[in-house]
Amino acid sequence: GQQVMQIPQYQHVQEGEDFTTYCNSSTTLSNIQWYKQRPGGHPVFLIQLVKSGEVKKQKRLTFQFGEAKKNSSLHITATQTTDVGTYFCAGYSSASKIIFGSGTRLSIRP
Amino acid sequence: SQTIHQWPATLVQPVGSPLSLECTVEGTSNPNLYWYRQAAGRGLQLLFYSVGIGQISSEVPQNLSASRPQDRQFILSSKKLLLSDSGFYLCAWSVTGASGANVLTFGAGSRLTVL
Repeated sequence: GQQVMQIPQYQHVQEGEDFTTYCNSSTTLSNIQWYKQRPGGHPVFLIQLVKSGEVKKQKRLTFQFGEAKKNSSLHITATQTTDVGTYFCAGYSSASKIIFGSGTRLSIRP
Repeated sequence: SQTIHQWPATLVQPVGSPLSLECTVEGTSNPNLYWYRQAAGRGLQLLFYSVGIGQISSEVPQNLSASRPQDRQFILSSKKLLLSDSGFYLCAWSVTGASGANVLTFGAGSRLTVL
């Protein structure tokens, strides 16, 4: 079945450093979504990418969707303590089925 | 505006006991509904999803079941819990957009500990 893999599993950075998480799907995706889950909380939608090669920015966050629509990345520039949490990509292929990656947990040294 | 309610928030159950987690959505019609499970420190595993009343798709063979008795109500059940059923259960809803895409809105979650 469809699998969505995400690396790294953990990332510990100094505040102000950059952070990147990568997502790869075993199948071509209709779109890819990114969610953030704060410790003890529930996932919250960040953004959706639909087009091949699409790049979107939200302040210090940059999201990319690969040309083949099978991979994606999230890059955070100059991390802040408010960025702490687990970042998930989620692949939507068809039939309303949304599969999540394993997540990347970001922790930050002040 | 749309809201999603999930309960109970926390429960501790003995092995072999039954389970019922309930999720309701307000402010929308005919939503897609989902149950995910998250083991401690792990990712989100899709358990069930439903695109309409009485339509349930099961993703993982297990001793859990789901039902959708009303348009905006989604229930996760088990007749006999196992230790491995412990986890954080998340209900979510979405509406299929014009492009065919779905964006999930999650409930606050139900944290289940099986002893």
